[in-house]
Amino acid sequence: AQTVTQSQPEMSVQEAETVTLSCTYDTSESDYYLFWYKQPPSRQMILVIRQEAYKQQNATENRFSVNFQKAAKSFSLKISDSQLGDAAMYFCAYRRGGANSKLTFGKGITLSVRP
Amino acid sequence: DTAVSQTPKYLVTQMGNDKSIKCEQNLGHDTMYWYKQDSKKFLKIMFSYNNKELIINETVPNRFSPKSPDKAHLNLHINSLELGDSAVYFCASSQETLGAYEQYFGPGTRLTVT
Repeated sequence: AQTVTQSQPEMSVQEAETVTLSCTYDTSESDYYLFWYKQPPSRQMILVIRQEAYKQQNATENRFSVNFQKAAKSFSLKISDSQLGDAAMYFCAYRRGGANSKLTFGKGITLSVRP
Repeated sequence: DTAVSQTPKYLVTQMGNDKSIKCEQNLGHDTMYWYKQDSKKFLKIMFSYNNKELIINETVPNRFSPKSPDKAHLNLHINSLELGDSAVYFCASSQETLGAYEQYFGPGTRLTVT
């Protein structure tokens, strides 16, 4: 079974600094997708970024980028120029390729941003 | 303009009651999901439907029954509510046939059973 591990329950970053959130996963599949979701206090789940396993290039979305290490099964999220609005829970998620697959989530990490 | 909507956003009820949560998506997606987020914030899939057909049915008590009248709607009915059912329930949708696979979530329904 696929598992997603986020071993850090909490992290803190100074506003305008850079922070990296860690995630590892376990799978025997070759075709899969990885995601980071953000859940602010409003509890809305917001898709931050996605990575296809077949792509070697790391995904980027504005201030958000990933470090995808396929052999190590590691998928970390880097947030540059942190803003107060980045304070939230962040969830790493995995799904195998092909239609009708479920998302498997990690336990999440709470990120606080210090002004 | 809301892509995935759920009603109600909050639901407080007593043990033993039956309640429903409704979900609608206007994204034209073919697949919809129900997730449960427990008090420790852990998210887990419950069900998924593709074009009104049940695809994923995780180990969920049969007091929970999803119903999809059409591909834009997926409702969750819960019978004989128990204290342990208290959680936030999220609806989500995705367009599986295009291979994009991103799932878009509704705002969640916080269910409190007293």
